[in-house]
Amino acid sequence: EVVLTQSPATLSLSPGERATLSCRASQNINTYLAWYQHKPGQAPRLLIYDTSNRATGIPARFSGSGSGTDFTLTISSLEPEDSAVYSCQQRNNWPLTFGGGTKVEIK
Amino acid sequence: EEQLLESGGGLVQPGGSLRLSCAASGFTFSTYAMSWVRQAPGKGLEWVSVIRGKGDYSSYYADSVRGRFTISRDNSRNTVYLQMNSLRVDDTAVYYCAKGPHANGWYDFWGQGTLVTVSS
Repeated sequence: EVVLTQSPATLSLSPGERATLSCRASQNINTYLAWYQHKPGQAPRLLIYDTSNRATGIPARFSGSGSGTDFTLTISSLEPEDSAVYSCQQRNNWPLTFGGGTKVEIK
Repeated sequence: EEQLLESGGGLVQPGGSLRLSCAASGFTFSTYAMSWVRQAPGKGLEWVSVIRGKGDYSSYYADSVRGRFTISRDNSRNTVYLQMNSLRVDDTAVYYCAKGPHANGWYDFWGQGTLVTVSS
């Protein structure tokens, strides 16, 4: 099973700052990584698929990069509504697995 | 507008059964793979099961639920189900229904989830 390790566990930043979230895979997953945003009491929302493709309706301030085992989600300029948990997910190997999440707090 | 509406969650004793339903609308249901993903309290997301679309309705399961859970779909009702038997305390979670273009893919739309609590 591919283990996805996300860091940091929590990120506390001010509006307008840049957020950099990391997702590290225990083995090569090529570019088959997605990112989701999850707010309490709401459905998770797809942000990025296959490393760098923004999902429909996702603002351009969200971007993804990486390959192999190291991946990054960048939020270029934080907005108050970006407060959420962000999770990565790989689809290179069965079973599909998720990372433990990074909580982004807006100061 | 796409919608996924889960139902069927609740409190059940260990060893008991529940059937979750997920009613879909706003997209061509039969062409999409449909999955169940869960989140236990204080934990991350965990993929549970997927059933393919597009005429090939093969299904796949996480090791933790294989042999106990069964996924199925009724394209005439635009609904996917998860039959959960022999429930254990560690099955306690919010269960989300999610759709995607591929069985081994990403999930481009999710439901709001339904809570399953397994406790005596």
